[in-house]
Amino acid sequence: SAVISQKPSRDICQRGTSLTIQCQVDSQVTMMFWYRQQPGQSLTLIATANQGSEATYESGFVIDKFPISRPNLTFSTLTVSNMSPEDSSIYLCSVHSAGGPGTGELFFGEGSRLTVL
Amino acid sequence: AQSVAQPEDQVNVAEGNPLTVKCTYSVSGNPYLFWYVQYPNRGLQFLLKYITGDNLVKGSYGFEAEFNKSQTSFHLKKPSALVSDSALYFCAVREGYNFNKFYFGSGTKLNVKP
Repeated sequence: SAVISQKPSRDICQRGTSLTIQCQVDSQVTMMFWYRQQPGQSLTLIATANQGSEATYESGFVIDKFPISRPNLTFSTLTVSNMSPEDSSIYLCSVHSAGGPGTGELFFGEGSRLTVL
Repeated sequence: AQSVAQPEDQVNVAEGNPLTVKCTYSVSGNPYLFWYVQYPNRGLQFLLKYITGDNLVKGSYGFEAEFNKSQTSFHLKKPSALVSDSALYFCAVREGYNFNKFYFGSGTKLNVKP
């Protein structure tokens, strides 16, 4: 299974600021996924990040609010811009299992818990 | 539309008793089904999956799940619950042809009392 490291693990942020979350995988992967888990709720896919191309955003999420970088096959960042209290969530990075997307489950990082005051 | 339902927000069970966490799904085509567990302040950990084959699949920590096509269900089970099984459990479904799109249920909090 892939080992996925996320930083920061948690942070408390002020309204109107931006925060960048880093995700490092211990193996090369084609696609990395960013999910949001709002308090007491399920996971929602924000976007899919491919190396060398722009991220693909799901309905309800836009690049200006959640810019994503994918500079190489093991690393990605998600920025939460101009934060408001509604952005308080756990943000999770994930990748397909080593078996590849055809058979695979997703593996998740430990998550980054953001609280916006 | 694809969806997953976990009808119980919370399941309470005594240690040593069997447990069941329910999941039903709706997906076009053949479903790929998954269970994950989330411990407090942790990410999601993969427990087991059904892709094809035997309807009863076994996974980590003694958990198993039964795929029932006619009832579109994929309930998670364990013969004897442990206090350490207390956590949040998520069912997920993926379309057979769209490898990147997973749909997660709302989660079920399992409480195992000593």
